[in-house]
Amino acid sequence: QVQLQQSGPGLVKPSQTLSLTCVISGDNVSSSSSAWNWVRQSPSRGLEWLGRTYHRSKWYTDYADFVKGRLSVNPDTSKNQFSLQLISVTAEDTALYFCARKITLSGKGVFDAWGQGTLVTVSS
Amino acid sequence: DVQLTQSPSSLSASVGDSVTITCRASQSINNFLNWYQQKPGKAPKILIYGASSLHDGVPSRFSGSGYGTEFTLTITSLQPEDFASYYCQHTYTTFYTFGQGTKLEIK
Repeated sequence: QVQLQQSGPGLVKPSQTLSLTCVISGDNVSSSSSAWNWVRQSPSRGLEWLGRTYHRSKWYTDYADFVKGRLSVNPDTSKNQFSLQLISVTAEDTALYFCARKITLSGKGVFDAWGQGTLVTVSS
Repeated sequence: DVQLTQSPSSLSASVGDSVTITCRASQSINNFLNWYQQKPGKAPKILIYGASSLHDGVPSRFSGSGYGTEFTLTITSLQPEDFASYYCQHTYTTFYTFGQGTKLEIK
């Protein structure tokens, strides 16, 4: 079955860039039936979908409006992984970050596999 | 953007009880509604997709219903492992919002 393994620092300084990686096993980042997402969770904002990348003859990305301009989600086909880069972070970006796979079941999108989560604190 | 409002935000129940959690959407989302279970420090786990379809391996005591703007998750005969937080999520549009969650606690 598919497994997602996250890595990245747990502490980032304000105004710097938050970078996380999600390594995929049991599926392929280039799969035409999967999409690769980042979701975060904080006590004040709950669960928030951040963005995704997926391949359908070419690569696509989508971002939530509230992070558009600061977030990049990129695939790495050579390592079968995808990444998150969030620039200009503030304390508001402190959260537990998850990567997740979205598939389609009976025409409905389902986040069926998740990484283990990375707690990221933005602090000097 | 579609907003999802869950109620109640917390709920106390005993083993063997049945409980129902409601999720209301700010606009019609047909049946593009999922339910997840989350335990502390862990990732969410899919329970129900398409409002009423049970995901593989999920016990049949979990069920979902609804269409349009109002949805429910029902858990019958609560087991000790069911005490957790539950979230709804829509996938009607790309901006996949989640409800704010319902924490189910042991009475």
